[in-house]
Amino acid sequence: DSGVTQTPKHLITATGQRVTLRCSPRSGDLSVYWYQQSLDQGLQFLIQYYNGEERAKGNILERFSAQQFPDLHSELNLSSLELGDSALYFCASSLHAADSPLHFGNGTRLTVT
Amino acid sequence: QQQVKQSPQSLIVQKGGISIINCAYENTAFDYFPWYQQFPGKGPALLIAIRPDVSEKKEGRFTISFNKSAKQFSLHIMDSQPGDSATYFCAASSARQLTFGSGTQLTVLP
Repeated sequence: DSGVTQTPKHLITATGQRVTLRCSPRSGDLSVYWYQQSLDQGLQFLIQYYNGEERAKGNILERFSAQQFPDLHSELNLSSLELGDSALYFCASSLHAADSPLHFGNGTRLTVT
Repeated sequence: QQQVKQSPQSLIVQKGGISIINCAYENTAFDYFPWYQQFPGKGPALLIAIRPDVSEKKEGRFTISFNKSAKQFSLHIMDSQPGDSATYFCAASSARQLTFGSGTQLTVLP
């Protein structure tokens, strides 16, 4: 068990809808990362937060947004969903920067129909 | 510049054999090279990592070989076991951003 909790485990929704994915980092970790994993794209970095502030941005669409709250949990908001957004979304946490080991949750599987 | 190229895409090895997965990178600013192991239904988990000031790191049956001049690094799994069957990702880090390779699906036959 990595100590990173992601909810929900599965999410099925329709195109055009909006969903929120939640992540609770490992106790003591200050950094939270979001990754998207699809069959043809591998693990794509979306965004990183450190102690509530955005630290790095990857290939995150404008329809997607995230935030890290004072209690360090994070939420990833996906809006105007498209079929191509169907993927596994992973949250990871680390103590400090990216050269600290990342601890991944078990992901949220999003299916857009 | 941020890309990490991983090969092969899939690998089938007999039990007891050696599994070798290769990665190459372009960005010389990368300064941390971890390997992650992912089982179906689970998130990736850190397996072993290396920094560019050493050429090899060994942990049990897992070894990373690092060639700084060639900008390549590889994972060797000695005495491969069916329980090693998983997807393996190499990664490289700079400026706090971890970039993953595309993954290698390893199957170890009993």
